[in-house]
Amino acid sequence: EAGVTQFPSHSVIEKGQTVTLRCDPISGHDNLYWYRRVMGKEIKFLLHFVKESKQDESGMPNNRFLAERTGGTYSTLKVQPAELEDSGVYFCASSQDRQGEAKNIQYFGAGTRLSVL
Amino acid sequence: GESVGLHLPTLSVQEGDNSIINCAYSNSASDYFIWYKQESGKGPQFIIDIRSNMDKRQGQRVTVLLNKTVKHLSLQIAATQPGDSAVYFCAEPSTIKAAGNKLTFGGGTRVLVKP
Repeated sequence: EAGVTQFPSHSVIEKGQTVTLRCDPISGHDNLYWYRRVMGKEIKFLLHFVKESKQDESGMPNNRFLAERTGGTYSTLKVQPAELEDSGVYFCASSQDRQGEAKNIQYFGAGTRLSVL
Repeated sequence: GESVGLHLPTLSVQEGDNSIINCAYSNSASDYFIWYKQESGKGPQFIIDIRSNMDKRQGQRVTVLLNKTVKHLSLQIAATQPGDSAVYFCAEPSTIKAAGNKLTFGGGTRVLVKP
């Protein structure tokens, strides 16, 4: 079974441009999360989808970031316009709620390294 | 591989020795903890988890210890191998049910295994 896949693995863009990151979760996983690690900081939560609905977007830094998960399968994260401080690694994770378990293990993709010049 | 210049504490260990990686947390209500391993060019991979009703859990070559009194947990790797070289993160899901298990990560520790 394929794991979480992210595309592209690396993106280099200029300040002011738009970039769209894609995440394909593990098939059948309802939960999809976006995280990022920017320069010198730890991995931080951005948002969480349950199927196609945004459950929690409290970590989204500002309105330049837009995440979608139409159809409840893959998700995209668009940054428009990109700023220098958006540079970092963006991770996607997915999980499936397990019956009787309050917590569920999140499986991560390899990440997209975004460089804004 | 993936690198964003994060200045991580580094543990340098001789191959075959045991490694101990530490993590502190602040929320007394935290009830579940996870250790992730991130190798170069890959995303974090689940290693082992522990619930707060336990103080020790063992996996294959790894043991996690939880000390709730001082809000500290550690990951012990037995007979460290070159393949254990990676960054290790502790993480905890939100204790708020409505927050949907979003993870809060520690800063990470880089383990370098010397042959």
